[in-house]
Amino acid sequence: KQEVTQIPAALSVPEGENLVLNCSFTDSAIYNLQWFRQDPGKGLTSLLLIQSSQREQTSGRLNASLDKSSGRSTLYIAASQPGDSATYLCAVLTGANNLFFGTGTRLTVIP
Amino acid sequence: DAGVIQSPRHEVTEMGQEVTLRCKPISGHNSLFWYRQTMMRGLELLIYFNNNVPIDDSGMPEDRFSAKMPNASFSTLKIQPSEPRDSAVYFCASSFAEQFFGPGTRLTVL
Repeated sequence: KQEVTQIPAALSVPEGENLVLNCSFTDSAIYNLQWFRQDPGKGLTSLLLIQSSQREQTSGRLNASLDKSSGRSTLYIAASQPGDSATYLCAVLTGANNLFFGTGTRLTVIP
Repeated sequence: DAGVIQSPRHEVTEMGQEVTLRCKPISGHNSLFWYRQTMMRGLELLIYFNNNVPIDDSGMPEDRFSAKMPNASFSTLKIQPSEPRDSAVYFCASSFAEQFFGPGTRLTVL
């Protein structure tokens, strides 16, 4: 069974710092990997989607990488801002359209 | 609790037909979310309700899509008329803090 793990579980950084969130999965047979942001009381907002054939995706200050063979993905956030404070989740899509979520990383950016 | 319940689990319909997807959230949860999942676009938030009131429907793709939550224990997502590009898996989730997802409805529009 696919297991998705995110490290660290929580992270606090001062404003302006660059940071990396990690996601690992046990079964490399995935169709895609998606990073989400979740603000308290709100739905998941998709940040980046990486297809299994891709190595990375970029959107603004965000860059996500995928190393399928090693079962790892990273989300890089440049020049962090207080508005980036949220929980970040990664999820992998496997065969039979099963979506497995990671445990999430709660990010706090301190002004 | 049985978790978030969605029906039907599978729906096959023809283009132009009306489709209604149903969701029963977990009792006590005050937020309900509708998502659509496709291979190409991944998981997308369509709309969410808080205390039965729609808060953000900016993810609803077109006027053909509508969602209602008449009470705390029931919500519907309707597509009228349906089109082949609507084919996807539609998830409902509910939360009080953490989100819990239903099993999804796999919709195929021919």
